[in-house]
Amino acid sequence: KAGVTQTPRYLIKTRGQQVTLSCSPISGHRSVSWYQQTPGQGLQFLFEYFSETQRNKGNFPGRFSGRQFSNSRSEMNVSTLELGDSALYLCASSWSGDLDTEAFFGQGTRLTVV
Amino acid sequence: GQQLNQSPQSMFIQEGEDVSMNCTSSSIFNTWLWYKQDPGEGPVLLIALYKAGELTSNGRLTAQFGITRKDSFLNISASIPSDVGIYFCAGPDFNYGGSQGNLIFGKGTKLSVKP
Repeated sequence: KAGVTQTPRYLIKTRGQQVTLSCSPISGHRSVSWYQQTPGQGLQFLFEYFSETQRNKGNFPGRFSGRQFSNSRSEMNVSTLELGDSALYLCASSWSGDLDTEAFFGQGTRLTVV
Repeated sequence: GQQLNQSPQSMFIQEGEDVSMNCTSSSIFNTWLWYKQDPGEGPVLLIALYKAGELTSNGRLTAQFGITRKDSFLNISASIPSDVGIYFCAGPDFNYGGSQGNLIFGKGTKLSVKP
């Protein structure tokens, strides 16, 4: 059974540009969550999608957005990139996102903003 | 708001030694999760705990859900070099819905093992 797949693995962008990251969940999983990981702030929740609807959103500016498609694949977009957006972006999938359904992470996309 | 305080921040141990780390919170959690992250990789789920007082093992790893529901412990017995990595505790973040779809993480315990 394939795990969570994130593409691309590495990305370098210039300040002011926008970027789209992709996440393919484990087959059958309907909940997809996104996290930002930085050395200073650690792992922070961005948003969660379930059945193509954003179910929860973390405390990030509106430049961070996402969507989920009917096959549960998800994308996140960051517009007007800032240097501080450099981070490892992680996607996690679970069957339903409920309390007793475990979340599995992808390898992440390492975004560097220069 | 919810916070997870994880300690120690780092550990340097000899191969074969046992390791203990813990996670505490001022808020009650109804699920505790322990993840391990290797450099450049995503976190891998090690153990999930769902009931206060629960003690669960996964090979050489044992984790406990504290009776007060405000803490959890992870023990690794007879450490080996591949145990090196960062260990995170996590739980549902009730600021954002309180499910495994939105987790709050501790800052991690970095484990180094000397052969």
